[in-house]
Amino acid sequence: AQSVSQHNHHVILSEAASLELGCNYSYGGTVNLFWYVQYPGQHLQLLLKYFSGDPLVKGIKGFEAEFIKSKFSFNLRKPSVQWSDTAEYFCAVKTNAGKSTFGDGTTLTVKP
Amino acid sequence: NAGVTQTPKFQVLKTGQSMTLQCAQDMNHEYMSWYRQDPGMGLRLIHYSVGAGITDQGEVPNGYNVSRSTTEDFPLRLLSAAPSQTSVYFCASSYIGTAESPLHFGNGTRLTVT
Repeated sequence: AQSVSQHNHHVILSEAASLELGCNYSYGGTVNLFWYVQYPGQHLQLLLKYFSGDPLVKGIKGFEAEFIKSKFSFNLRKPSVQWSDTAEYFCAVKTNAGKSTFGDGTTLTVKP
Repeated sequence: NAGVTQTPKFQVLKTGQSMTLQCAQDMNHEYMSWYRQDPGMGLRLIHYSVGAGITDQGEVPNGYNVSRSTTEDFPLRLLSAAPSQTSVYFCASSYIGTAESPLHFGNGTRLTVT
C-alpha cells in the first residue's frame, strides 16, 4: 500500500520568504504525484502534478516541485511567498488504478 | 459545467440517526471517492469506486456504506451516526485511464454529530 509523509505540519513565513515543503512517499509501482492546495473554507484544488518526463514541474501561482526518484521525494517550492499563499498544502500519490493517498497536510501561514 | 456537486453543505445529526451525503459529477469520471478531513490527519479515504456497480473500502470504512448505480452519482450513507464521525467530508472524482488525471473535489459537507 502507498503512503505519503509530509514533514512540516505548520510553517510560518514572512512575505517574500522562500518556501520549501517536504513530501516523501512510499510505493513500489509507478507513481503519479500531486500537490493540492486548500484555501481557508474551500475545497482542495490542484497545484501541480508529476507523472513522467522532466522531474522539475511548474504549477500555478509560481509554485514548482522536484521529483527525486532516488529519495522518493516530491518537495514543493516557491521562491517568494505572498500573503495570499496562506493555505493548507497536501501532497498525494496516485496509483495507475486511480486510488489517491494524501499526506497529513502542511498549514502555511504567511505574515504580511 | 458543474464539476463535483455535494449536498448538503452543513448537517447536524444526533447520535444514532442515519443520513445520506449526496455526490454527483458531470465529467464522466470513472473513479469516485469519499474522504473525511480531520485536523492534523489530512484526508482519509472512506470508500471508492472505479465504475458503476463497483465499490471498495478505503482506510476508514466502518460506519459508512456506499453504492454506485450510475457513473454520475456516489452517495455516502451513515448508518447510525456517532460523535466520532464529526468531520468534513469531501467527494472527489477523476479519470482512471489517464493516471496523471487529478482528483476534482466537491465543496465539502461539514457534519456535526451530537
